[in-house]
Amino acid sequence: DTEVTQTPKHLVMGMTNKKSLKCEQHMGHRAMYWYKQKAKKPPELMFVYSYEKLSINESVPSRFSPECPNSSLLNLHLHALQPEDSALYLCASSHVGQKTYEQYFGPGTRLTVT
Amino acid sequence: TQLLEQSPQFLSIQEGENLTVYCNSSSVFSSLQWYRQEPGEGPVLLVTVVTGGEVKKLKRLTFQFGDARKDSSLHITAAQPGDTGLYLCAGAPRITSGTYKYIFGTGTRLKVLA
Repeated sequence: DTEVTQTPKHLVMGMTNKKSLKCEQHMGHRAMYWYKQKAKKPPELMFVYSYEKLSINESVPSRFSPECPNSSLLNLHLHALQPEDSALYLCASSHVGQKTYEQYFGPGTRLTVT
Repeated sequence: TQLLEQSPQFLSIQEGENLTVYCNSSSVFSSLQWYRQEPGEGPVLLVTVVTGGEVKKLKRLTFQFGDARKDSSLHITAAQPGDTGLYLCAGAPRITSGTYKYIFGTGTRLKVLA
């Protein structure tokens, strides 16, 4: 099973709303990632969790707050977003310490901020 | 900054034609992955190449890793409309112990016309 699931598939929120994106994997991966992807561009790394601890934060604004409750789950809490934050948000997971470093991606959440 | 440059950026071809996509860097990567992404979906892992000079085949797709592990190519034989999508190469240079930051290529958008 190489499946990463993400919910919701689509999300529309106002600039004053609070919402959360969820990601789950059952591949035994101990590294999980959040990416942001704008149209026709490659994914941009936002956060990396390794063994449920935040390992990398790519200078992401504080209106994005990640959380890793356990080794299978990854959340991204959203608050006071701006219209330019509208994008496809992708979750990925991988093993830690493996030479090939393959990442497996979820289907993404299409976020629209109005 | 380690960059992965892909060429061409866009490619529109007729069904049945052959094509090659290139992924180049001035840096050495321990492995490279190739993904295909359809609009509104997450990237799907196609292959990982690890050894310099390695060639891998996936049906009509042939992947090669350069001898110096700085570049890779993807060749598609007899392209079909189902091959349409965004092709991304990605490499994983080691930056911290235990977790790895993907460098994504600039992407190649392929459209195969029936």
